[in-house]
Amino acid sequence: DAMVIQNPRYQVTQFGKPVTLSCSQTLNHNVMYWYQQKSSQAPKLLFHYYDKDFNNEADTPDNFQSRRPNTSFCFLDIRSPGLGDAAMYLCATGTGGVSNGYTFGSGTRLTVV
Amino acid sequence: GQNIDQPTEMTATEGAIVQINCTYQTSGFNGLFWYQQHAGEAPTFLSYNVLDGLEEKGRFSSFLSRSKGYSYLLLKELQMKDSASYLCAAMDSNYQLIWGAGTKLIIKP
Repeated sequence: DAMVIQNPRYQVTQFGKPVTLSCSQTLNHNVMYWYQQKSSQAPKLLFHYYDKDFNNEADTPDNFQSRRPNTSFCFLDIRSPGLGDAAMYLCATGTGGVSNGYTFGSGTRLTVV
Repeated sequence: GQNIDQPTEMTATEGAIVQINCTYQTSGFNGLFWYQQHAGEAPTFLSYNVLDGLEEKGRFSSFLSRSKGYSYLLLKELQMKDSASYLCAAMDSNYQLIWGAGTKLIIKP
């Protein structure tokens, strides 16, 4: 089945130790999004790619970086995780139009110790 | 600014009907989405409205009034598995989704 896959499902990292979360898709969607979601809060858009064009939200900390080497893969790099970065990180894809909204991966729950 | 408002929590009884309301303010409008999110999982798409009126899909229906900036999600014949958060999201003129914080729906037997 075509889908959006996030690895790992659960990630524990040490305070200040760089960590990378990955997302892959078989939908061939040209837009990919990274969201951060904390408990009982709305998903917060960090950045998105329209094809190779990178769009950073104004309030996304510099600590968060992203790479999209090709259509299928997108990575979220957290350079120096702090305790406040513990959250669910959601990858989503879309076609750039309305269609059926976004398709989400299963998410990666990040714990910082 | 852009804003989505929906109740924080609602409780309903198994087999009953519940309506979850959402009001929105966005820069431009390209439709209103409802997503279901079970605890610890990713949101899954439920419905999309861009024209005024009611869209029915099985036990779930969604309504939109563009002039009022208002939508609701109607869930009928509630089942225990419907216990989840329901997120309202409006798509703005840049095709970005503006999200509400979600309504946690608790179903009691």
